[in-house]
Amino acid sequence: EPEVTQTPSHQVTQMGQEVILRCVPISNHLYFYWYRQILGQKVEFLVSFYNNEISEKSEIFDDQFSVERPDGSNFTLKIRSTKLEDSAMYFCASSDRVSNEKLFFGSGTQLSVL
Amino acid sequence: GENVEQHPSTLSVQEGDSAVIKCTYSDSASNYFPWYKQELGKRPQLIIDIRSNVGEKKDQRIAVTLNKTAKHFSLHITETQPEDSAVYFCAAIGNNQGGKLIFGQGTELSVKP
Repeated sequence: EPEVTQTPSHQVTQMGQEVILRCVPISNHLYFYWYRQILGQKVEFLVSFYNNEISEKSEIFDDQFSVERPDGSNFTLKIRSTKLEDSAMYFCASSDRVSNEKLFFGSGTQLSVL
Repeated sequence: GENVEQHPSTLSVQEGDSAVIKCTYSDSASNYFPWYKQELGKRPQLIIDIRSNVGEKKDQRIAVTLNKTAKHFSLHITETQPEDSAVYFCAAIGNNQGGKLIFGQGTELSVKP
């Protein structure tokens, strides 16, 4: 069964550093998303991406965040200057054109900002 | 915007008993309601979903009911097994909101053998 894959599984960084989280969505999917989950809290929407542009973003997704689909398979989330409060589990997800609401999640990247 | 509340936060049942998890939503335009199961250290996995034009949907031991008037929906697991132990999340999507899922806080279900 195809899966969304994310790398790395864990990322530790110093405050102020840039991080790039990587995702490979399911190959025939057209919609891509990033969500995050701070420890003990609910999963929160960050951004959705379709047709090489952001289709929607939340208030969390400020100027420090950016997304990119640099080639036909990868989807990345960049945090330009990390803050302590960016520490969370970041999930990538994708869905196909037919049922774009059915999201399939990756296993997540645990980001720790020190 | 949409807000989803989920109860209870923890639920412990004996193997073979039923478990019910309830969610309420605020946006009457929401029209898609999935449930995800997340085992420790693993990805959230879609286990069942329901659309607003349907009142109930069943898949083996799992069922979901939706009351649009009251704006609440529930997950029912019958004949629970230890492998059902996980965190369950409900979510809702508003009309034309694509993949912007609004999640509940999660319910940690523990099934004791």
